[in-house]
Amino acid sequence: KAGVTQTPRYLIKTRGQQVTLSCSPISGHRSVSWYQQTPGQGLQFLFEYFSETQRNKGNFPGRFSGRQFSNSRSEMNVSTLELGDSALYLCASTGQGTAGELFFGEGSRLTVL
Amino acid sequence: KQEVTQIPAALSVPEGENLVLNCSFTDSAIYNLQWFRQDPGKGLTSLLLIQSSQREQTSGRLNASLDKSSGRSTLYIAASQPGDSATYLCAVRSNAGNMLTFGGGTRLMVKP
Repeated sequence: KAGVTQTPRYLIKTRGQQVTLSCSPISGHRSVSWYQQTPGQGLQFLFEYFSETQRNKGNFPGRFSGRQFSNSRSEMNVSTLELGDSALYLCASTGQGTAGELFFGEGSRLTVL
Repeated sequence: KQEVTQIPAALSVPEGENLVLNCSFTDSAIYNLQWFRQDPGKGLTSLLLIQSSQREQTSGRLNASLDKSSGRSTLYIAASQPGDSATYLCAVRSNAGNMLTFGGGTRLMVKP
């Protein structure tokens, strides 16, 4: 069974640009959540989607947005990039039969210059 | 607001030693607690999940305990190996949603 797949794995952008990251959950999982990991703030929750609806949202500015498609794949978008957005963005999925266990992908490493 | 703390932040031990990593949380009304391992530059690997009604979970050389009333969890690693070197993170899920609150992690180095 394939794990959580995130693309791209690495990307470099400049300030002011926007970026879209993609996450394919484990087959059958309908919940996808996103986290930002930085050396200073650690791991912080961004948002969670379930059946194409945003169920929870963390304390991030509106420049951070996401969506989920009918096949449970999810994307997150960051507009007007700032230097502080440089981070590892991690996606996690969970579903029925997991007892609430979250499974993470390898992450997308974003560098903003 | 749930806060999760992990002590120590870093730990270095010789191979073969048994060790305990600590995790504390401020709100005891949790849904479950999960321990993860993270290798440098990698994603998170789930190690153990403890439901709020459970006291402990075991997987191989790993044993995690949960004491909700005191807001604490421990991860016990038996007979440590150099391959155990990584950052260990605990995360608490406080409600029926799937939002986790993470601790800052313990960076473990096991020396051969």
